[in-house]
Amino acid sequence: DAGITQSPRHKVTETGTPVTLRCHQTENHRYMYWYRQDPGHGLRLIHYSYGVKDTDKGEVSDGYSVSRSKTEDFLLTLESATSSQTSVYFCAISESAAGGNEQYFGPGTRLTVT
Amino acid sequence: QQQVKQSPQSLIVQKGGISIINCAYENTAFDYFPWYQQFPGKGPALLIAIRPDVSEKKEGRFTISFNKSAKQFSLHIMDSQPGDSATYFCAALKSGSNTGKLIFGQGTTLQVKP
Repeated sequence: DAGITQSPRHKVTETGTPVTLRCHQTENHRYMYWYRQDPGHGLRLIHYSYGVKDTDKGEVSDGYSVSRSKTEDFLLTLESATSSQTSVYFCAISESAAGGNEQYFGPGTRLTVT
Repeated sequence: QQQVKQSPQSLIVQKGGISIINCAYENTAFDYFPWYQQFPGKGPALLIAIRPDVSEKKEGRFTISFNKSAKQFSLHIMDSQPGDSATYFCAALKSGSNTGKLIFGQGTTLQVKP
């Protein structure tokens, strides 16, 4: 398995509170991604990073911010959590952005916003 | 706007049967089409992938059929086994975007009955 860990694995939080999810990799891969998985929607890209301090938005970025200060860590922050952000969040990594370079996924974080 | 549409949403197949999952895409700039397999409580993992310059790719019991003119591709699982029970996602990528942004289908939950 690719060396990807996500923390926490489960979290319950209240509406309006800030939440930070962490993705840590030991593969030294350049690209890192945050997805959310919801029934009927598959996986949707929230934000991605193509290097330290280099990030960009995905298709569902509203309400989320990210930071990458080190190659190995990619943080996803929900500034003020809402119930619509209840989801399973996956981090993924890849060596390059070209087709044929596999994206390896972490084990996921289940977030519940009450 | 769902750029990659996947069907069916769920599928039940008897052991030894053939499982077929279909995907259709809209953007002709997509040039890499992976399938991911996800077991409960785990992150997705790459199963098989194809580029549009070939019409079929086979790896063991798993085959991708690709129809470029119809903008459709499908996953066939031959001799389906209970261990194949999982959720399957098709995806598409524009290599030229240099972002690695995968667009996923909605997912298909496959149950193979013994």
